[in-house]
Amino acid sequence: AQTVTQSQPEMSVQEAETVTLSCTYDTSESDYYLFWYKQPPSRQMILVIRQEAYKQQNATENRFSVNFQKAAKSFSLKISDSQLGDAAMYFCAYLRAGNMLTFGGGTRLMVKP
Amino acid sequence: DVKVTQSSRYLVKRTGEKVFLECVQDMDHENMFWYRQDPGLGLRLIYFSYDVKMKEKGDIPEGYSVSREKKERFSLILESASTNQTSMYLCASSPRDSGRAGRTDTQYFGPGTRLTVL
Repeated sequence: AQTVTQSQPEMSVQEAETVTLSCTYDTSESDYYLFWYKQPPSRQMILVIRQEAYKQQNATENRFSVNFQKAAKSFSLKISDSQLGDAAMYFCAYLRAGNMLTFGGGTRLMVKP
Repeated sequence: DVKVTQSSRYLVKRTGEKVFLECVQDMDHENMFWYRQDPGLGLRLIYFSYDVKMKEKGDIPEGYSVSREKKERFSLILESASTNQTSMYLCASSPRDSGRAGRTDTQYFGPGTRLTVL
């Protein structure tokens, strides 16, 4: 069974600094998608970034980038120039064959002014 | 922008009641999903549907059923609500993967329904 592990239940970062959230996953597949979602307090879950496993290049969206290490089954999210609005729960997710999305347990990110 | 809406943000029901949670998407997506979210457990898939009148069980289908009579609407039904079904329920939709037959792509989520069963 596929599993997704986020080993950091909570992280904090100073405003304008950089923070990296960790995610590892377990799979026997070679072709899949990985995602990072953000869920602000009492608000909707939104997509942050998407990575296709067959692409070597790491995905980037503005201040958000990933470090995708396929052999190590690692998919970390880097947030640069952190802003107060980045404070949220962040979920790593794996889209497996059979089209089911498996989520990690989440990392709560706090941003200090 | 993709819009996924859910019928209620907050709902309070009594044990034994039949509960309907409604989800509507406006992007003509083929696939729709129901998850529940509990602290420390993340999101867990209850059911999903890849076409009208089609459904597949997820990881935790027990105590739930679903209905998809129209492409844009996916309903989650609790036949007889119990206190252990108190949770946040999230609906999502996704298109088919244009590059891979039989696969789906990014899921877009609704705002969630916080259900309390007393």
